[in-house]
Amino acid sequence: DGGITQSPKYLFRKEGQNVTLSCEQNLNHDAMYWYRQDPGQGLRLIYYSQIVNDFQKGDIAEGYSVSREKKESFPLTVTSAQKNPTAFYLCASSVLGRVHTGELFFGEGSRLTVL
Amino acid sequence: GESVGLHLPTLSVQEGDNSIINCAYSNSASDYFIWYKQESGKGPQFIIDIRSNMDKRQGQRVTVLLNKTVKHLSLQIAATQPGDSAVYFCAGNAGGTSYGKLTFGQGTILTVHP
Repeated sequence: DGGITQSPKYLFRKEGQNVTLSCEQNLNHDAMYWYRQDPGQGLRLIYYSQIVNDFQKGDIAEGYSVSREKKESFPLTVTSAQKNPTAFYLCASSVLGRVHTGELFFGEGSRLTVL
Repeated sequence: GESVGLHLPTLSVQEGDNSIINCAYSNSASDYFIWYKQESGKGPQFIIDIRSNMDKRQGQRVTVLLNKTVKHLSLQIAATQPGDSAVYFCAGNAGGTSYGKLTFGQGTILTVHP
């Protein structure tokens, strides 16, 4: 079945460590996104990419990095520079022709806890 | 700045009732508004969108209303079912050439009682 796979589902990290969250999609979507969700809040955009080897910062990119070497993959690295990394991270994708409508397909999320 | 917010954080209804979830927005440049449903521990699921030049759009059991005069949109769910229990988010796109950038509201928790 087509979809978006995020891994790991749960991740624990010590302060000062970098961690990489995986996001893979087999929907043949061009655009991919990373959002962060904190308890009781809406989603906030970290990074997005509309084409391979190109990506743009979202509203809260500080302390995060991404790469888009393949159409199917858009990994997110949470670096030690991110001051408050404990959150629920959501990856999404969209058909390029529907990007303007805001119709995104989301993965199941990765919950990161910093100990 | 751009923001999308909600009037109420929680809504409780009885099974079979109609539900109305409200949302206010501030960015007049948004040309699409979208509703998402998020079940506990899962990613959001697209429900319906509405273009800014429309004032109403209907889907299966859902209707979205857009009032640009007061910058307000609402999601109406007909004959609400226990499976509709979830957090509902409204979102607006950034408009212009910033395709794909969405601003989400805080969410409304809908609880449906059997």
